Amino acid sequence: KAGVTQTPRYLIKTRGQQVTLSCSPISGHRSVSWYQQTPGQGLQFLFEYFSETQRNKGNFPGRFSGRQFSNSRSEMNVSTLELGDSALYLCASSYAGATNEKLFFGSGTQLSVL
Amino acid sequence: EDQVTQSPEALRLQEGESSSLNCSYTVSGLRGLFWYRQDPGKGPEFLFTLYSAGEEKEKERLKATLTKKESFLHITAPKPEDSATYLCAVQGGYSTLTFGKGTMLLVSP
Repeated sequence: KAGVTQTPRYLIKTRGQQVTLSCSPISGHRSVSWYQQTPGQGLQFLFEYFSETQRNKGNFPGRFSGRQFSNSRSEMNVSTLELGDSALYLCASSYAGATNEKLFFGSGTQLSVL
Repeated sequence: EDQVTQSPEALRLQEGESSSLNCSYTVSGLRGLFWYRQDPGKGPEFLFTLYSAGEEKEKERLKATLTKKESFLHITAPKPEDSATYLCAVQGGYSTLTFGKGTMLLVSP
């Protein structure tokens, strides 16, 4: 069974640009969550999607957005990039996103903003 | 607001030298405490879920325990392949995971 796939693996952008990251969950999983990981803050929750609907949202500015498609694939978008957006962005999937359900993470997209 | 503090930030052990990692937490209505392992360049990999104080779970050289305020990840006779960052996370009333910053473990042969 294929794992969670994130593309691209690495990305370099400049301030002010926008970026779109992609995540393909494990087949059959309908919940997709996104996390930002930095050395200083650790893993921070961005948002969760289930059946194309945003179900939970973390404490991030509106520049961070996402969506989920009918095949459960998800994208997240960051507009007007800032230097502080440099981070590893991780996607995680689970069957239903239920309480106590373990998450399966992808290897992440390493975003560098110059 | 849910909070998770992990200690130490980094730990270096000799192969075979047992030790414990700590995860202290405050959460409104604990629904679950999770341990994940993260290798460099990869996403976290699930290890354990603990639900209530007094619960213990084991997997190979790892044993996780839970009290009302903290969790421990005990590593018995570690091997170099146990080197990784170990992450603790809690799920409370808001149903989203709050992660600690992790403990970076290095096991030398």
